[in-house]
Amino acid sequence: EVQLLESGGGLVQPGGSLRLSCAASGFSFSNYAMTWVRQAPGKGLEWVSAIKGGSGNTYYADSVKGRFTISRDNSKNTLYLQMNSLRAEDTAVYYCAQRIKSGSSSHFDYWGQGTLVTVSS
Amino acid sequence: QSVLTQPPSVSGAPGQRVTISCTGSSSNIGAGLDVHWYQQVPGTAPKLLIYDSSNRPSGVPDRFSGSKSGASASLAITGLQAEDEADYYCQSYDSSLTGSVFGGGTKLTVL
Repeated sequence: EVQLLESGGGLVQPGGSLRLSCAASGFSFSNYAMTWVRQAPGKGLEWVSAIKGGSGNTYYADSVKGRFTISRDNSKNTLYLQMNSLRAEDTAVYYCAQRIKSGSSSHFDYWGQGTLVTVSS
Repeated sequence: QSVLTQPPSVSGAPGQRVTISCTGSSSNIGAGLDVHWYQQVPGTAPKLLIYDSSNRPSGVPDRFSGSKSGASASLAITGLQAEDEADYYCQSYDSSLTGSVFGGGTKLTVL
């Protein structure tokens, strides 16, 4: 059974940093691309970042480019999101998800339960 | 303003059929890129409902179906049930933004 478990969320001041983790199990982690998606309170879903399984190539939404860094440790089956220079508008539940490309665009097959990041003074 | 446009809300009585539209542009759905749909019950994580525009993952009832035409896609739900009350999101890839994009979400109310 595929399981994704996020951790690392919490309250941080504007300008601060936070690192999220996503522990994966139930599948061959290194073979799969992974992604982070966030949801601000009462708002819709927003894609944040993705990382390929093999090459480790990374991709970012313009809203976080230069501030967030996605990475993975395949030996630990863990995905990370390093978030720097945090802003109030980064306040959201952050979900990790397994990314699958079976057609002409990728979709997100399995999701974690999410971790809440609150940026406030 | 989301790249993919969905109606904010739809509603229907139990047993009825409802559709949710998702309108994109020439850099995403109109470019022939697949659309995917997710169901999110408030307070829970999204769940994949339809992938590659019209395919259902195992375990998703055949009451849910997806289609795509031109720069738009649709999710249809037949035989509405109270448990279908949730938020629904479409998602694709945008070649101009070089990243995945979501619709703003549609709240389905079962009357």
